Amino acid sequence: DTGVSQDPRHKITKRGQNVTFRCDPISEHNRLYWYRQTLGQGPEFLTYFQNEAQLEKSRLLSDRFSAERPKGSFSTLEIQRTEQGDSAMYLCASSARQGGEQYFGPGTRLTVT
Amino acid sequence: GQSLEQPSEVTAVEGAIVQINCTYQTSGFYGLSWYQQHDGGAPTFLSYNALDGLEETGRFSSFLSRSDSYGYLLLQELQMKDSASYFCAVGDTGGFKTIFGAGTRLFVKA
Repeated sequence: DTGVSQDPRHKITKRGQNVTFRCDPISEHNRLYWYRQTLGQGPEFLTYFQNEAQLEKSRLLSDRFSAERPKGSFSTLEIQRTEQGDSAMYLCASSARQGGEQYFGPGTRLTVT
Repeated sequence: GQSLEQPSEVTAVEGAIVQINCTYQTSGFYGLSWYQQHDGGAPTFLSYNALDGLEETGRFSSFLSRSDSYGYLLLQELQMKDSASYFCAVGDTGGFKTIFGAGTRLFVKA
């Protein structure tokens, strides 16, 4: 397996546009996480999937953010009506067990102009 | 609230030993993890403690005391390539949510 992949790696969009990111986890991992990271900070938890079920979502996440994981494989994260404050690195991670190690993808860097 | 505290920066010389501390305050606890992140890269897993005590993985060791809500990462025989940011992270809410600290930037000098 080649690890966690994310697409696109970079995205530049204008304020008010919608964007969608994709994450392909390690194939045998049923747990998937989305994070957001800004410069000089640690990853900030956004949401968690176990198989296709979204079991946890950050209260900090506005209604403009939505995530899906159809069929428990790849996942998508959509941001509607983007704002400049959404500019960040969006990281996806997967794991095979509760707690413990998570394997991170290379991230999608979003720039909102 | 939920928070993890760790020093913002640590500097050490090549070959030395450095300890990075982490204290946490979370509503639940499902293990303490450590991750390394080089500039421009993604976080990579280093170590995990679910129970009290010391876990050793090569040059890296991690310690946990749940009664003190405290842990540390110990890096031995420092190498220049160890210069990176190190994050502690706690599994919360049954392990469904992971909370990361702000990170400790380690500078290794020759």
